[in-house]
Amino acid sequence: GDSVTQMEGPVTLSEEAFLTINCTYTATGYPSLFWYVQYPGEGLQLLLKATKADDKGSNKGFEATYRKETTSFHLEKGSVQVSDSAVYFCALTQPLYSSASKIIFGSGTRLSIRP
Amino acid sequence: EPEVTQTPSHQVTQMGQEVILRCVPISNHLYFYWYRQILGQKVEFLVSFYNNEISEKSEIFDDQFSVERPDGSNFTLKIRSTKLEDSAMYFCASSDFSGQAAEKLFFGSGTQLSVL
Repeated sequence: GDSVTQMEGPVTLSEEAFLTINCTYTATGYPSLFWYVQYPGEGLQLLLKATKADDKGSNKGFEATYRKETTSFHLEKGSVQVSDSAVYFCALTQPLYSSASKIIFGSGTRLSIRP
Repeated sequence: EPEVTQTPSHQVTQMGQEVILRCVPISNHLYFYWYRQILGQKVEFLVSFYNNEISEKSEIFDDQFSVERPDGSNFTLKIRSTKLEDSAMYFCASSDFSGQAAEKLFFGSGTQLSVL
């Protein structure tokens, strides 16, 4: 079945460092891909999405490009801030207009940013 | 901004005890969900609830689990006789739309259940 694998954390970086959190997926067809973020004390919230190959999702300075040839959707940010400290979840659905039961989540990557 | 509220944030219980995890979804939402995440593993779907009945459930959601909307605001997950393997973070979510769920869900901050 479909699955998502993301890099294990925790990831600790200094402020203004470049961030990459790797995510790869296994799926038939053309899934939609997502990154969610969970800030301390809050619920998961959608950060960005991409619905077809070569699409780039972006939000709050974060970007991720849907790479079908490498089945990847890595999350990147050029210069992280302390406020980016959170847990990041990669996810997919198939197709986009799917019910909540069809969301496949990764295990999450905890990111800590040092001032 | 509206939010989904879960209480308590951390629950400790003895094996075999019943626990009730509570959630207050966003007020105008009609679709309610529970997910769980065992430490180090993936977030997994448990159950969805609409119009006062379960609309979908996973294999994890066996007879030990039940959900209820006891009044107009709360949505609860009950585990009748907890096992060690029920220790996990439990997330509640709600939505005003059943489809396109990945974009439409609002999640609570979770209840960490520890079964001793």
